[in-house]
Amino acid sequence: GAGVSQSPSNKVTEKGKDVELRCDPISGHTALYWYRQSLGQGLEFLIYFQGNSAPDKSGLPSDRFSAERTGGSVSTLTIQRTQQEDSAVYLCASSLVQGSNQPQHFGDGTRLSIL
Amino acid sequence: RKEVEQDPGPFNVPEGATVAFNCTYSNSASQSFFWYRQDCRKEPKLLMSVYSSGNEDGRFTAQLNRASQYISLLIRDSKLSDSATYLCVVYNAGNMLTFGGGTRLMVKP
Repeated sequence: GAGVSQSPSNKVTEKGKDVELRCDPISGHTALYWYRQSLGQGLEFLIYFQGNSAPDKSGLPSDRFSAERTGGSVSTLTIQRTQQEDSAVYLCASSLVQGSNQPQHFGDGTRLSIL
Repeated sequence: RKEVEQDPGPFNVPEGATVAFNCTYSNSASQSFFWYRQDCRKEPKLLMSVYSSGNEDGRFTAQLNRASQYISLLIRDSKLSDSATYLCVVYNAGNMLTFGGGTRLMVKP
């Protein structure tokens, strides 16, 4: 399809395991964003990429979270040693370029549940 | 104080009613403003951008008041399909979007 694609759509894992979430942005979109949304809460910004570069990593909740993007396309968000408070929907969005007037298009999200 | 604040609702209105939501933001340097719509357990989708002069898209009207730092969304002749959570979104100079917690709208027959 032409939209933002995220995988897996659902992930259930045990506390302490590492997880890797994938985002495939809309073709040609240079900016990519990661957010998370806890149950009944608003969206929390995590990190964004312009190309392969992430200028601001301050939104990542802890050093257990990391993200990378290679080839200016697919991005992975990795959570190490998962904790129960990491349970949330992780949403990825992309925009044509990074800028104030650029709408972001969201993927369906990965629903992460930590047991 | 949250950067972007919204009344969580829910706003329960009958079909055909007019309903308005407000959103306040704390960063006076905020550059751009948007309303997103999020259906239950779905991803947010852009509803409309908010321009300084105000803008209208069909039954939806968005307005920005920079002096008072608030944004509004007006929905006229509400439909059952308008039931959703409406997210106020602000773009700051730090190059990120900040989302409000959302206002839940329920349109009843």
